[in-house]
Amino acid sequence: EDQVTQSPEALRLQEGESSSLNCSYTVSGLRGLFWYRQDPGKGPEFLFTLYSAGEEKEKERLKATLTKKESFLHITAPKPEDSATYLCAVTNAGKSTFGDGTTLTVKP
Amino acid sequence: DTGVSQNPRHKITKRGQNVTFRCDPISEHNRLYWYRQTLGQGPEFLTYFQNEAQLEKSRLLSDRFSAERPKGSFSTLEIQRTEQGDSAMYLCASSLGQEGYTFGSGTRLTVV
Repeated sequence: EDQVTQSPEALRLQEGESSSLNCSYTVSGLRGLFWYRQDPGKGPEFLFTLYSAGEEKEKERLKATLTKKESFLHITAPKPEDSATYLCAVTNAGKSTFGDGTTLTVKP
Repeated sequence: DTGVSQNPRHKITKRGQNVTFRCDPISEHNRLYWYRQTLGQGPEFLTYFQNEAQLEKSRLLSDRFSAERPKGSFSTLEIQRTEQGDSAMYLCASSLGQEGYTFGSGTRLTVV
């Protein structure tokens, strides 16, 4: 059974303080690893897809990387508007399996 | 295209009643998914369709849950004889093949 574990559960940063979120996974035949952002009371919003070890994707202050066992979401110089829950998911041939997320709070 | 639309946004029902939710996906997307999410947890898979065919259903899903996607367009999720444990956010998402999902805003179900 596919499994996704995210750490830490919660992360509090000062504005401008860079950090990383971790996503460890086990999956039978990885077809893709996804990162989503979720704001309270809303559905998740797609950020990145990574397909193979060594791949990297960037968007504004976010950078996602992938190895054979884990993925990292690096946040550089975060702003308060980056506060949200970040979800990681893996997919094989069909559905995606999600982790429980990391809730990021960025204080001004 | 206005994205994935879910109705209603909120539903309060008495235990034992049946409820039905609707999802209108992005028209170009061939896959449609239903997930359930409770506070502090990630989305939990319920079922998914490719066009009109239901390809997978969670083993954790009881027989009280049923989903349809007639003609490969909109989808409905019905819960029969609701229980308090069914209280959650029900999320619908669509995708083109195995690309990242586009989620709707969800339907929040409260069973009293």
